[in-house]
Amino acid sequence: NAGVTQTPKFQVLKTGQSMTLQCAQDMNHEYMSWYRQDPGMGLRLIHYSVGAGITDQGEVPNGYNVSRSTTEDFPLRLLSAAPSQTSVYFCASSQSTLRQGTPKETQYFGPGTRLLVL
Amino acid sequence: AQSVAQPEDQVNVAEGNPLTVKCTYSVSGNPYLFWYVQYPNRGLQFLLKYITGDNLVKGSYGFEAEFNKSQTSFHLKKPSALVSDSALYFCAVRPSGAGSYQLTFGKGTKLSVIP
Repeated sequence: NAGVTQTPKFQVLKTGQSMTLQCAQDMNHEYMSWYRQDPGMGLRLIHYSVGAGITDQGEVPNGYNVSRSTTEDFPLRLLSAAPSQTSVYFCASSQSTLRQGTPKETQYFGPGTRLLVL
Repeated sequence: AQSVAQPEDQVNVAEGNPLTVKCTYSVSGNPYLFWYVQYPNRGLQFLLKYITGDNLVKGSYGFEAEFNKSQTSFHLKKPSALVSDSALYFCAVRPSGAGSYQLTFGKGTKLSVIP
């Protein structure tokens, strides 16, 4: 398994440009999410999806769109980039199951995309 | 709403000494609790988690954490710190049960292990 992959690793945008951050997982996880990491702020949830065709907003959704047409892919779109969106973006996938009545949870993060908006 | 507090922005410890990184949480119902480590310019690596069962959870690289429900804490510990443990540590929480996957993270604690 490749786990969670993200592309690109690094991107520079000008204010007003749009772009899509790609995220893919090959573990057949139902749940996927996007976080942004800013100094002193920890990670904050942008959008998440509990399955193909289902998405919802997290804590900081403004300026971002997502879609989930397949289980594997969960792209994050910046519609009109702003300097405030300069950050490191992490995609994650997870799955909760019950094994012999005991909950088990697996969760993986991608390597991140470092975005600079000028 | 759920929340996580990591009261120390930075923790300094001498190599070979025990280390503790503190975490307290607030969540409705029973919590699922996680610790992650992040090395410079890298992604998050999973260290350990508490889902259910024993309050003392053992994880990767010799780390462990104790779930204390009455104090709503989940402090990360290691008996003997290594210089290579120097990194940024994040505690995270989410409510237990299906359909509640959204993690809330603390702001992180920078651990520096001094040779």
